[in-house]
Amino acid sequence: ETGVTQSPTHLIKTRGQQVTLRCSSQSGHNTVSWYQQALGQGPQFIFQYYREEENGRGNFPPRFSGLQFPNYSSELNVNALELDDSALYLCASSHDYSGNTIYFGEGSWLTVV
Amino acid sequence: DQQVKQNSPSLSVQEGRISILNCDYTNSMFDYFLWYKKYPAEGPTFLISISSIKDKNEDGRFTVFLNKSAKHLSLHIVPSQPGDSAVYFCAATFRGGSQGNLIFGKGTKLSVKP
Repeated sequence: ETGVTQSPTHLIKTRGQQVTLRCSSQSGHNTVSWYQQALGQGPQFIFQYYREEENGRGNFPPRFSGLQFPNYSSELNVNALELDDSALYLCASSHDYSGNTIYFGEGSWLTVV
Repeated sequence: DQQVKQNSPSLSVQEGRISILNCDYTNSMFDYFLWYKKYPAEGPTFLISISSIKDKNEDGRFTVFLNKSAKHLSLHIVPSQPGDSAVYFCAATFRGGSQGNLIFGKGTKLSVKP
């Protein structure tokens, strides 16, 4: 139990649609990161939010966007869904952005058909 | 270009024996390394970490060794137990940067047989 909760756990969307995934970070953690894990791969960094500001971004197109709220919970939005977006989306929280121990939620499984 | 590599997709070990999982990295700027364990349908769980100023860190049955000159780290599990069966991810980061994103390997699936 990491204290990081994500919703929904599973969802199916059609190509071209939009999706919003949600994350509640562990109490006291002000930094949230999102990762995409495709089948057979390790998690890949999408972006990080620190105190409601984007604090870094991986190699993902602009149709991947996010928000962090004052209570440090977060959303990941993906527009114009493509079949390759089918993956496990992981939210991770940490005490700060410095790369210390990061705790992951159980993930949201997205299938795009 | 994969900066963190786990070259063994799978490993099978007998219960009670040692499990050794290996990881190589290419970026000499990495200064902090972590191992995560992942069961199916769960998120990765933090296992153990090591700073680049150390060459060994131990926590119970788990020990991580770091060889900076070879850009290689390994996770030793002694003795291995059936409950250790999971996918193990090696991850690296640069803590001196402005963000602490982790770079993961592809994982090694460990099977511990009773």
